[in-house]
Amino acid sequence: NAGVTQTPKFQVLKTGQSMTLQCAQDMNHEYMSWYRQDPGMGLRLIHYSVGAGITDQGEVPNGYNVSRSTTEDFPLRLLSAAPSQTSVYFCASGQSYEQYFGPGTRLTVT
Amino acid sequence: TQLLEQSPQFLSIQEGENLTVYCNSSSVFSSLQWYRQEPGEGPVLLVTVVTGGEVKKLKRLTFQFGDARKDSSLHITAAQPGDTGLYLCAGPNTGNQFYFGTGTSLTVIP
Repeated sequence: NAGVTQTPKFQVLKTGQSMTLQCAQDMNHEYMSWYRQDPGMGLRLIHYSVGAGITDQGEVPNGYNVSRSTTEDFPLRLLSAAPSQTSVYFCASGQSYEQYFGPGTRLTVT
Repeated sequence: TQLLEQSPQFLSIQEGENLTVYCNSSSVFSSLQWYRQEPGEGPVLLVTVVTGGEVKKLKRLTFQFGDARKDSSLHITAAQPGDTGLYLCAGPNTGNQFYFGTGTSLTVIP
């Protein structure tokens, strides 16, 4: 099992560009989520999904979109990148309150 | 406003010493999780505590959930350099959103 995979590992964007961060899991988990991690602020929930076709907003959803067409995949879209979105992004999947995290994507917006 | 407050924020100790990390909230949680994160990687789940007053042991790590389910602690006995990392507590709200603490960065000096 690969667990939770994320691509790319690193990305640099210019302000106003759009991109999609990919996330996939092979554990057949219904729950998937996206977090951003900034220095001194821990992890903050962006969006989450409790199953295919169902998504909801987390604590910091502005500027991000998600979709869940399959159980395995949960991509995160940045619509128009801003310097404030410079962060490390983690995808997670889980069940029964326990989450398993991917290795992260380090995004820099200039 | 941070729902889960962790203390201390930074901790640097000598190998062999004992330490305790705290996770506090004004809200009641149905469960709390503890994760460890190493640089450049995603958080890894250590334990979940569910019942008020519950104590769980994982080798030299002891986790306790407060009686009122508003706080938790992590005690490490005879710390080793391999314990170095960022320790995060997390808990679910009444829905499906998870909140993370700001983390405790532990350095164990050989």
